[in-house]
Amino acid sequence: SVLLYQKPNRDICQSGTSLKIQCVADSQVVSMFWYQQFQEQSLMLMATANEGSEATYESGFTKDKFPISRPNLTFSTLTVNNARPGDSSIYFCSSREGGQYFGPGTRLTVL
Amino acid sequence: GEQVEQRPPHLSVREGDSAVITCTYTDPNSYYFFWYKQEPGASLQLLMKVFSSTEINEGQGFTVLLNKKDKRLSLNLTAAHPGDSAAYFCAVSAYNNRIFFGDGTQLVVKP
Repeated sequence: SVLLYQKPNRDICQSGTSLKIQCVADSQVVSMFWYQQFQEQSLMLMATANEGSEATYESGFTKDKFPISRPNLTFSTLTVNNARPGDSSIYFCSSREGGQYFGPGTRLTVL
Repeated sequence: GEQVEQRPPHLSVREGDSAVITCTYTDPNSYYFFWYKQEPGASLQLLMKVFSSTEINEGQGFTVLLNKKDKRLSLNLTAAHPGDSAAYFCAVSAYNNRIFFGDGTQLVVKP
């Protein structure tokens, strides 16, 4: 299995600001995925990020709003641009190697 | 894209009873299936991953059944105990390693 670490584990920011969420894997993974979960709801797949290529976004999520970088096989960053209260949720990174594992999540509150 | 429907959204059972959660999916090409447990404030814990060729899968205290003909996946917790109280999610993967989640079931096991 792969262990995924996220930083920060929680953040509070003002509307209109941007913030970054980092995900680090303890071994190389081909694909990293980012999910959004609103309180006690299901997880929505936001995008798939492979090394050296642009992330592929699901319907309802855009590169301008949620740019994702994947500079190498163990690291990815999700940015939330122009944060709004509606972006307040938990963001998880995930990888597929050996099963589908998730990081601990980053709880974001936008005021 | 893949649609995953999970039922029931809420389930309350007595300790020692069984609890059954069912998911149906739409994409006949789905080949990888997952069940997750999520406790409040925590990340997702992978309970079981199921490949399409195996219809019955047993874990510790639970059984997962896959019916590909009906496109149905079920989780049966046998002899539930209060520690099983949590949210449970099914997830389905069809291609490109993208997985899609059901809406979740909030399980409460009463002593």
